[in-house]
Amino acid sequence: EAQVTQNPRYLITVTGKKLTVTCSQNMNHEYMSWYRQDPGLGLRQIYYSMNVEVTDKGDVPEGYKVSRKEKRNFPLILESPSPNQTSLYFCASSYGTDTQYFGPGTRLTVL
Amino acid sequence: AQTVTQSQPEMSVQEAETVTLSCTYDTSESDYYLFWYKQPPSRQMILVIRQEAYKQQNATENRFSVNFQKAAKSFSLKISDSQLGDAAMYFCAYRTYYGNKLVFGAGTILRVKS
Repeated sequence: EAQVTQNPRYLITVTGKKLTVTCSQNMNHEYMSWYRQDPGLGLRQIYYSMNVEVTDKGDVPEGYKVSRKEKRNFPLILESPSPNQTSLYFCASSYGTDTQYFGPGTRLTVL
Repeated sequence: AQTVTQSQPEMSVQEAETVTLSCTYDTSESDYYLFWYKQPPSRQMILVIRQEAYKQQNATENRFSVNFQKAAKSFSLKISDSQLGDAAMYFCAYRTYYGNKLVFGAGTILRVKS
């Protein structure tokens, strides 16, 4: 089944404790992105990647890191999480600039 | 920068009736994509319908159709024969033809009454 997977689905952590949210797709898509969803703001892009070893900032990259060492994986790293990073996070992938397919979301709470 | 506006925070519709969700956007580009995504309580983002700006014909997918007015920069979603399973948050989104970023509206919560 073609899909985008994210882990974990839920995470509660404390300020300053490094964490990684994994994202993997099995559709051989070149493009991958991370978004965060906050009430009243819709989804906003954090980082995106056009291919292996090619990443760039989206609209809200502060406090986040990404890497793209393999085509199928695009992890999101929060090296020192803060409470304002409490949000719902989505990974998405697409073939070229066509329709993006979303993972199931990760609910992150930073205390 | 492109922006997407959904002016209706919440809408209600009676089961089996028709409802229209509004979306306007701002861009200086001539080629782009527009999307409607549905987010049910499960939080999954589900593609409802997609429109390419260079196509004048309005996209349709079963009970879902759009009214795409390029000059007015308007992209409304019509849901016919509404069902309880249509209750969700609906997001309008814009993507430039060569870009990788979706720009989302704030969303419209649709409630379906039985």
